[in-house]
This record gives sequence, C-alpha cells and structure tokens, in this order.
Amino acid sequence: TQLLEQSPQFLSIQEGENLTVYCNSSSVFSSLQWYRQEPGEGPVLLVTVVTGGEVKKLKRLTFQFGDARKDSSLHITAAQPGDTGLYLCAGIRTDKLIFGTGTRLQVFP
Amino acid sequence: EPEVTQTPSHQVTQMGQEVILRCVPISNHLYFYWYRQILGQKVEFLVSFYNNEISEKSEIFDDQFSVERPDGSNFTLKIRSTKLEDSAMYFCASRPNLRSTWEQYFGPGTRLTVT
Repeated sequence: TQLLEQSPQFLSIQEGENLTVYCNSSSVFSSLQWYRQEPGEGPVLLVTVVTGGEVKKLKRLTFQFGDARKDSSLHITAAQPGDTGLYLCAGIRTDKLIFGTGTRLQVFP
Repeated sequence: EPEVTQTPSHQVTQMGQEVILRCVPISNHLYFYWYRQILGQKVEFLVSFYNNEISEKSEIFDDQFSVERPDGSNFTLKIRSTKLEDSAMYFCASRPNLRSTWEQYFGPGTRLTVT
C-alpha cells in the first residue's frame, strides 16, 4: 500500500508564527501536489512540484520536493487566521492521486 | 470561473438502498474521477474514467459500485446496495487533456449518510 504520512496531524499556533508541515513516503512519486480543504468543500490545489529538490513559493507559502522525490514540505511564514484549514499532500501515481493523512492547521488571532 | 458541481449536497439513505451521486465536470475536461473521504480519514481514490470507460479503479470500487457518463455533461456514481460503511463524503473531480498540467478540479462533495 502506498502511503503518504503527514506530520504533524494537528497544529495550533498564534498569528504571526511560522510553521512547517511534512509529507513523507517510502515510495517515489513522479510529482506531488499540495491541497487545502475547507470544511464542507472539496480540496483546492495549491501547487504541483515535479523535480527533485524543487522549491516553489506562493506568497507566504514555500513548498519543497525532496531530492529523492519521496518527501515534501510546506512552510508558512507569518501565519494568518485565514490560513486555517486542512492541508493535504497528494502523490501522483498513474492516473490517480494518493492523498496524505492530512494536517489540520488552526491559526488564532 | 468554471467549476465542478455535485448533487445532492447531502443524501440520506437506508442500508440496502441504491443511490446515485451526480456530478457535472468542467465542460472541456476529458478525465473524470471519484474519491471518497470517510469522516476523520484521508481522501481515497475510487475510480478514474476516460473515453467512456474506466481507466483505473481501487480495491474499494467493488461490484456494488458503477460509474456512467450518460450524456455529454453528467458523470454519475451508483452504489447498488449501500452499506453503513459507505457513509462518507464523495468527491468528483475532472481534469483537461493537457500534457503540461496535472491539476484535478474537485467538486464540493456529496455527503452520503447510510442509516
């Protein structure tokens, strides 16, 4: 079974703090995506990383794909309450997404 | 902006009943998917569909499940005889036939409750 483990599972922080979410697998993925999911809605794509070692920035969010393409991280700088949500990594394998276990982030004002 | 829509938003059914979950993918998309998310668990792939046939299906997608694209706009998931463990959020997704991107666009989901 292909498994993507995310850590931490839950994260509660104050506004302005920095945080990092990790996504780890024993399998290699051709590319990996990060999604954000709000309650009662479907996942929304944030970024796709394709090349080992790749770093992508989306405003205060920085995404990195591991050199071996087995792991990824999401770093948020100066978190805001609007960042609150469920963050999911997903590996692309053939024609499907294999989702991670999820990290639920709560940012308090 | 085009979006994937799903109906109903919430479906309550009794165990053993058949349910059909409906999705309208984005109009120029060619690849279609169903995923499900049991409460508190991760999103799981069920099935992918292209060119009017199933491309790939997971172990979850057994003989009780079927998918259909009955016309040019709808994509349906049927569960023939629902079980309690089928209770979950069901997400439809679609993607265009573009080599340069691999983004799947997700609908808002249908919450299925089996009693």
